[in-house]
Formats: sequence, C-alpha cells, structure tokens
Amino acid sequence: DTAVSQTPKYLVTQMGNDKSIKCEQNLGHDTMYWYKQDSKKFLKIMFSYNNKELIINETVPNRFSPKSPDKAHLNLHINSLELGDSAVYFCASSPGSYIQYFGAGTRLSVL
Amino acid sequence: QKEVEQNSGPLSVPEGAIASLNCTYSDRGSQSFFWYRQYSGKSPELIMSIYSNGDKEDGRFTAQLNKASQYVSLLIRDSQPSDSATYLCAVNPPGNNQGGKLIFGQGTELSVKP
Repeated sequence: DTAVSQTPKYLVTQMGNDKSIKCEQNLGHDTMYWYKQDSKKFLKIMFSYNNKELIINETVPNRFSPKSPDKAHLNLHINSLELGDSAVYFCASSPGSYIQYFGAGTRLSVL
Repeated sequence: QKEVEQNSGPLSVPEGAIASLNCTYSDRGSQSFFWYRQYSGKSPELIMSIYSNGDKEDGRFTAQLNKASQYVSLLIRDSQPSDSATYLCAVNPPGNNQGGKLIFGQGTELSVKP
C-alpha cells in the first residue's frame, strides 16, 4: 500500500506536447510538494501546497501548472514541453514537520 | 555560493570502515537539517534529522550539527555495501511562510567496497 504514489513512472514525449503527472498520498498529510531532479541529481523544489492552497511557487516557467483538487492529490501539468524539461519529477508529502516522504518519481524524457 | 554544499564524490570506503559525509549551508538562521539516502533510480528516503547542536545517533548513523560553523555531517559506522548510495543533505531555510521548504545539496555518492 504505497504512501505517496505517482503516475506515470515513465513519460516519453515530443517537444511541444502537453503532459500531466499525477500524485496521490494516503498518509493524511496536509502538505504536498513537487520537486525536479536534474541529470546531476540536484533536487530542487518547484511547488508546495498546504490543504489545497499554494504555499511555495519557486522560479519555475509558467508552462508548469500545479493543481490540487483535494489535500491528498497534487497534479502537475506541463505545457509546450522543452528538451530542458527532461528530468525526474518527485512528488512528496509532509505532516508539517519539514520531514518529507517522496514518491517513486516520474522520469520525463522530451525528444 | 550555493545555499547547501556537499562534495559530490564519489567517496569510496572499504566495508567495515567509517564513512564521513559533510555538508555546509549558507543561511545562518537555518534550524532544521536532514540527511536523505537515494539509491540509484529510486526516491530519496529520510534517514536522519537533527535540530540541535551536537550529535544524534541512530543505529550505525550519527548526525553532527555545528550551527556556529554552519556545518552538518553524517557518519556511517561499520559501512556495508548496501550503504552505497547518494546521500543528500537538506536544510529548512529560516523565515515564516516557507511551507516546509527544503533546500538540498547536490549529494555525495558513497561507494562501499567489499
């Protein structure tokens, strides 16, 4: 019974396409995050939601749009994909203590 | 200067030795510090958290914090080949409304040789 689950695990697409990644947590946490990990393994926060409210919005192109329909779900939609968007995207959740639990990641490859 | 810095490695130690991983951070007001382990192709997994100066031990792992020097370290005693992974240092920056934000270092790759 996975605590933080992301779909899909792999995503291969062409430049210019629009794609979405979904995340769900069953831990009852109020806070969820999206991170991007590049090819050098540098993990950088993109967005944070607390109980459906946007809390953190880092310097991310506005082609990236998060959406939280309820506190257990946080989705990421990406418009007009570019080569530089290729990375592993991790969803995470937290009970509010700064300790974060990560999903398995979505490996996005833009061709 | 990067906000959280680690040596990228790889750090290679023989099985049974002590592995020492280091991390420095730039924001003196930071209060919460974490070590995550990430196996290749997997997600980060929390292994230690530390909030006060000094040492915190959990099994074979010891986290050390020195806020005056802005330095956090992780010691792994009796290193095992299964400890081979990338270790990420993470810091919660000070200030309100940070939403539990963590800033990660670039990670140190550890290789434990049998």
